[in-house]
Amino acid sequence: DAGVIQSPRHEVTEMGQEVTLRCKPISGHNSLFWYRQTMMRGLELLIYFNNNVPIDDSGMPEDRFSAKMPNASFSTLKIQPSEPRDSAVYFCASSHKPHFGTGLLGGYGYTFGSGTRLTVV
Amino acid sequence: QQQVKQSPQSLIVQKGGISIINCAYENTAFDYFPWYQQFPGKGPALLIAIRPDVSEKKEGRFTISFNKSAKQFSLHIMDSQPGDSATYFCAASSGTASKLTFGTGTRLQVTL
Repeated sequence: DAGVIQSPRHEVTEMGQEVTLRCKPISGHNSLFWYRQTMMRGLELLIYFNNNVPIDDSGMPEDRFSAKMPNASFSTLKIQPSEPRDSAVYFCASSHKPHFGTGLLGGYGYTFGSGTRLTVV
Repeated sequence: QQQVKQSPQSLIVQKGGISIINCAYENTAFDYFPWYQQFPGKGPALLIAIRPDVSEKKEGRFTISFNKSAKQFSLHIMDSQPGDSATYFCAASSGTASKLTFGTGTRLQVTL
């Protein structure tokens, strides 16, 4: 199990450029989440998908942000145009819905990727 | 609207001591309360979790205490070790949704 795979690990781009972040969830997980982490605001949920369908995008800061999940094994988060205030670490996480009470946790345990550190200059 | 409040923001504990991190929630529909541990340069990793039908859950040196009436839960790390130095996040979700709402995090430093 390779876990949740994000790419790139680091991205430095100039203001106004388009940025695309990529995520491969764990096979068999049916939910995918995009989070943004900053010192000031902590972990913010941007959008999440269930079975490839966007369920809640209320955390997407503005129209410059968009996310897609064309199939169960791939998702993208795009920022166009990028701005310096978008600089943050972006995490993708996936989860499944186990039967209640099975396993150690019996809940919606997320597995996070290692994140993409985005710097917009 | 912040639905999960976490404190303290940072914590310094001596090796062998007890680390205590507290969280409070507002949404009474929450029924799943996990804690995540994050090391620098890594994503958060699930550490331990509890449901409100029990008041305490213990896994090794890590214990969650849950007070449903007060809408509070806490993480206790017994015999804290330097390797426990990390940022800890509490979180909550309800059975009707799979998304987690995270606290703001506590940076724990365990000194020798």
